[in-house]
Amino acid sequence: SQELEQSPQSLIVQEGKNLTINCTSSKTLYGLYWYKQKYGEGLIFLMMLQKGGEEKSHEKITAKLDEKKQQSSLHITASQPSHAGIYLCGADMASGTYKYIFGTGTRLKVLA
Amino acid sequence: KAGVTQTPRYLIKTRGQQVTLSCSPISGHRSVSWYQQTPGQGLQFLFEYFSETQRNKGNFPGRFSGRQFSNSRSEMNVSTLELGDSALYLCASRGPLGSEAFFGQGTRLTVV
Repeated sequence: SQELEQSPQSLIVQEGKNLTINCTSSKTLYGLYWYKQKYGEGLIFLMMLQKGGEEKSHEKITAKLDEKKQQSSLHITASQPSHAGIYLCGADMASGTYKYIFGTGTRLKVLA
Repeated sequence: KAGVTQTPRYLIKTRGQQVTLSCSPISGHRSVSWYQQTPGQGLQFLFEYFSETQRNKGNFPGRFSGRQFSNSRSEMNVSTLELGDSALYLCASRGPLGSEAFFGQGTRLTVV
């Protein structure tokens, strides 16, 4: 089973709508990272969260990490076609390690 | 600052052959990780190298191996290729512990 679960697996929204993607673990996360991927290409770093309760925003994207550091959400406000792609959460599952695992991914399509 | 470079971008091999993929990390980064991405399994961790030593390993058979050179460049080798090895192979480099990973564009391997 996946150590990081993402939901939903796919999402189709109308341009201008808000949406939320969730990333959940049964274990404490030591660092939570959000990436975006265009099909068949590398991952582009979006945001990093490390402290329980932390929230960061960049342009129309906001990411939060819960107090227990087991769940994160990525929220996109007023979605645009340029937001389309695959969103992946990644995490350090133990302190002091470079072993970095990823969630299952959420495929987002934005209809113009 | 140059990004992570992976070569080649595309590769077609026959079952039973072996293949070597290359990754040049961002200058100054000593940690290099490799991932396999397939539609069915998502992004799976293969292994991670730091200062020429393999420090972490995922659940892949021994046919998958790697190494890292003194200049931090890394190679990944897959021997006795199987059809199921067809995937996008991604390399990521990281700087200090707790920092985000930077990904290359990937090598698309097709086994026929």
